[in-house]
Amino acid sequence: DAGVIQSPRHEVTEMGQEVTLRCKPISGHNSLFWYRQTMMRGLELLIYFNNNVPIDDSGMPEDRFSAKMPNASFSTLKIQPSEPRDSAVYFCASSCLGQINCSYNEQFFGPGTRLTVL
Amino acid sequence: SQQGEEDPQALSIQEGENATMNCSYKTSINNLQWYRQNSGRGLVHLILIRSNEREKHSGRLRVTLDTSKKSSSLLITASRAADTASYFCATDSPYTYDKVIFGPGTSLSVIP
Repeated sequence: DAGVIQSPRHEVTEMGQEVTLRCKPISGHNSLFWYRQTMMRGLELLIYFNNNVPIDDSGMPEDRFSAKMPNASFSTLKIQPSEPRDSAVYFCASSCLGQINCSYNEQFFGPGTRLTVL
Repeated sequence: SQQGEEDPQALSIQEGENATMNCSYKTSINNLQWYRQNSGRGLVHLILIRSNEREKHSGRLRVTLDTSKKSSSLLITASRAADTASYFCATDSPYTYDKVIFGPGTSLSVIP
């Protein structure tokens, strides 16, 4: 398996622009997580999905952030409009808890998208 | 509120020495995990210890769990330069079975 795939790996944009981050979880995994990592705030859980349904979006900072999971193999995190304080590394992770042969909630992380908003 | 807190925030040791990192948490857990993050990369799972276990080994890693003190420690023996990374503990939420909460991490530097 190729692991969790994220795109783009780097994104530089100007304030006010829309940003869309993409994630493909590991095939067969039923939970998907979006995190944001900064030096100041560490690793923050933004939202997570189980079986394509958003379960907890309490970490989404503002209405400017939205996430979707239209099917089991794809998710997006959108920021509109973007602001300089959104600059961070955004990680997607997936896990298989609840699936056959999956006994605990180990998370598999993608390589991240480094977002810079000028 | 944050579930896990690692200590120390940063640790610098010589190659060959042992490195110990601690994690404290606040509420009951089902299991506790440790992850490693190399610079510029995503987190990688290292080891999991269940709440009914007290100690677990994996290669040069030794994890202990004291549920009465709500704390865990990660010991890396005979450290190598390649162990330089940030280490995070993650505890599962008492409310949902698949969500975990990560601590702020310990930054480990192993000097060759």
